[in-house]
Amino acid sequence: QSALTQPASVSGSPGQSITISCTGTSSDVGGYNYVSWYQQHPGKAPKLMIYEVSNRPSGVSNRFSGSKSGNTASLTISGLQAEDEADYYCSSYTSGSTLVLFGGGTKLTVL
Amino acid sequence: EVQLVESGGGLVKPGGSLRLSCVTSEFTFTNAWMTWVRQVPGKGLEWVGRITGKSNGETTYYAAPVKDRFIISRDDSKNTLYLQMNSLKTEDTAVYYCTTGICSGGRCHYDDAFHMWGQGTMVTVSS
Repeated sequence: QSALTQPASVSGSPGQSITISCTGTSSDVGGYNYVSWYQQHPGKAPKLMIYEVSNRPSGVSNRFSGSKSGNTASLTISGLQAEDEADYYCSSYTSGSTLVLFGGGTKLTVL
Repeated sequence: EVQLVESGGGLVKPGGSLRLSCVTSEFTFTNAWMTWVRQVPGKGLEWVGRITGKSNGETTYYAAPVKDRFIISRDDSKNTLYLQMNSLKTEDTAVYYCTTGICSGGRCHYDDAFHMWGQGTMVTVSS
């Protein structure tokens, strides 16, 4: 099974909004509402930012939001801040031989 | 504060074995489903495998690249998760994280939303 497809990089200026896409298939993203998003700063463990497509864990800023249409999920970060600069990964439950697929990751640069 | 602490990483030759441990604290380990995820430095995340809790039969599930070589187990009396890695290959070189799912609204997302993570332990497979 291939990893979910994410853009390698996105960038935005402080205060702006950006969206990161995550494209899969009907066997993963399109077939289940079990898409999650993770933020990872260099040398740190991933942090769960969104689960079940659009739910935020306690403590995660409401500047982070998620959505899904068909086989593509999206993470939107509004009001970009310097500390948002990190790598972002999507994941999805899958009916394939692997229970969970991750995206290849997107590096967010805050200009 | 909930803690997951991995250990056991190191340098091993191809074909060798290594056992990783993940000790948990301030966390109801018993019956929690636990997962191993790995990450090649500078690359993306890869799901390795998962074990259910005792009440679910401690059922394991593995990613294809590690199936039949890696074994996940747990000792609830020690709040510890294990990853036994055999027949190691150079492509197994990665940071290995233990993690578990978020529980919310009476439901735990053990197989789709990983909320608590350890700091990771580095495994290097090289001759």
